[in-house]
Amino acid sequence: EVQLLESGGGLVQPGGSLRLSCAASGFTFSSYAMNWVRQAPGKGLKWVSSLDGGGDSTFYADSVKGRFTISRDNSKNTLYLQMNSLRAEDTAVYYCAREGLRHLDFDYWGQGTLVTVSS
Amino acid sequence: QSVLTQPPSVSAAPGQKVTISCSGSGSNIGNNYVSWYQQLPGTAPKLLIYDNNKRPSGIPDRFSGSKSGTSATLGITGLQTGDEADYYCATWDSSLSAGVFGGGTKLTVL
Repeated sequence: EVQLLESGGGLVQPGGSLRLSCAASGFTFSSYAMNWVRQAPGKGLKWVSSLDGGGDSTFYADSVKGRFTISRDNSKNTLYLQMNSLRAEDTAVYYCAREGLRHLDFDYWGQGTLVTVSS
Repeated sequence: QSVLTQPPSVSAAPGQKVTISCSGSGSNIGNNYVSWYQQLPGTAPKLLIYDNNKRPSGIPDRFSGSKSGTSATLGITGLQTGDEADYYCATWDSSLSAGVFGGGTKLTVL
């Protein structure tokens, strides 16, 4: 059974940093691109970043480019999102999602982890 | 302001049919595959449709997808109260080199 379990969310002050993790199980992790998607309270889904299976090709939303870094450790079956220079508008539930054959084809999602940026 | 435009809400009676539109441009829907997601209250999104019109295993054939030009449509027939949820379209935008979601549509089954 495919499982994705996010962790690392919490309360952080503006300008601070946080690293999210997504532990994957039930599939060959290195064979799949992985993504982060976020959802601000009461708002819609926003794509954040993607990383291919080998960890070589990355893409970012303009809103996080230069501040967030996506990475993975295939030996640990874990996806990461390093978030720096956090802003109030980064407050959201962050989901990791497994990508199927195509971009934005997310066949499995984690339960999400809440990041709150506030002083 | 989302790159993909969806109606904020739609409604219909149980047993009826509803369609949800998703409008984009040549750099996204026009040249890439579209996916649709259902998000029930308080839960993670679930893939309903991928590759414009394919259903993952376990998704009933009451759900269908189509694409024409720079627009896509999600159809739901035989509406049930359990279908009340937010629905999102999504695709890749080749100009932005980024993923894009629609703003979401809240379905109410009256």
